[in-house]
Order: sequence, then structure tokens, then C-alpha cells
Amino acid sequence: EAQVTQNPRYLITVTGKKLTVTCSQNMNHEYMSWYRQDPGLGLRQIYYSMNVEVTDKGDVPEGYKVSRKEKRNFPLILESPSPNQTSLYFCASSLRDPLGGDTQYFGPGTRLTVL
Amino acid sequence: GQNIDQPTEMTATEGAIVQINCTYQTSGFNGLFWYQQHAGEAPTFLSYNVLDGLEEKGRFSSFLSRSKGYSYLLLKELQMKDSASYLCARSNDYKLSFGAGTTVTVRA
Repeated sequence: EAQVTQNPRYLITVTGKKLTVTCSQNMNHEYMSWYRQDPGLGLRQIYYSMNVEVTDKGDVPEGYKVSRKEKRNFPLILESPSPNQTSLYFCASSLRDPLGGDTQYFGPGTRLTVL
Repeated sequence: GQNIDQPTEMTATEGAIVQINCTYQTSGFNGLFWYQQHAGEAPTFLSYNVLDGLEEKGRFSSFLSRSKGYSYLLLKELQMKDSASYLCARSNDYKLSFGAGTTVTVRA
């Protein structure tokens, strides 16, 4: 089954404790992206990746890191989480970048709480 | 941000038609997506417009005017299952920027 998976689905952590949210897709998509969703603000793009070893900042990259060492995986790293990073996070992938109008397939979401 | 504006909430009756408007900054604009998101779920793709005009897909249609920085999503013959948030998103270069979403409530 074609899908985007994220782990963990729920996470409660404390300020400053490094964490990684994994994202994997099995559709051989080139473009992958991370978003956070907050009430009243909608989805905001954190980072995106055009292909292996090619990543770039979205609209809200501060406090986050990403890597794309393999085509299928695109982990999101919070080196020193803070309470303002409490949010619902979505990973998404598409065959090509948004210029091509391709459908973005979203993962199920990760609800992160930073105390 | 990309100044994408859409109404926060809309309510309509089952069987009716609802139009959700979206306005955006035109500079650097490539194309316009609409996604549907049910409560507690991930967004799912509805439509993509890159040229001016109306694209129809079953009960859902999407319209784009590039010069006016305006799009709308038209939902016809509303069903209860259409109660969801509808997200407008514009692409510029390789980024995708979303509006805050419009929550549509369908009443019997």
C-alpha cells in the first residue's frame, strides 16, 4: 500500500531534550516536506527536500533540522525543543515539487508536546 | 508569509452549494491547490489549478483567476461527510504555503 508513515504518533517531552521524528514513504517520491499545524495558523512549511541530499528552508525553519540521506526517509530533528514547538507535525511527499502540481500525500501526523 | 486569506468558518445545509473563496499574493505565484482535512486526520488532495478558469471534478469544482489572485472551491450537493476543513495552498518556486483553512459544517 502506498503510504507515508511517521513515528512516533504522539510524544510528550521536556524542554531541551533532543528528539527525532521519522518520516518514510514507499512511493519513490522525489519531493518531501515537513509542516506544522497550529490553530488559526494553518499548515506552515518547515523544510522541504527536492531529492537526496537536497534540502531547503520553508517558512518556519528556526529550531529544526532535517536530513535526506535516502530517498524514502526524511527525519525531522529538534536539537533543543522548546514549548513553542508544541504542535501537530505532518510529513508529506509528492512525485515532484509543487511546480508540477503533483498531489502531496500526507502522513498521519505527530502530536508533539514540549513541557 | 504569502498572505493567503480564506474565511474561517462556513455553514450550509445538506444538498446545498457552498463556495469557499481564497485570495493570495500574486508575486511569484505558480499554482493553487485545494486540500480537504477531516478533524483529526491528514489533509487529502482535492484539486490543482495553474491556468485561469474552472476545473470540475464531480461535486467539487475549483476556479482560478491568476491576475486577480483569487480562487474558489465550489462544493455542490453537500453531504454530511463534506463537513471538514478546506485548505487553500499556493506554490511559488519549490515551496507550498497554506491558508489557515475554512471549516465547513453541513447541517441536516
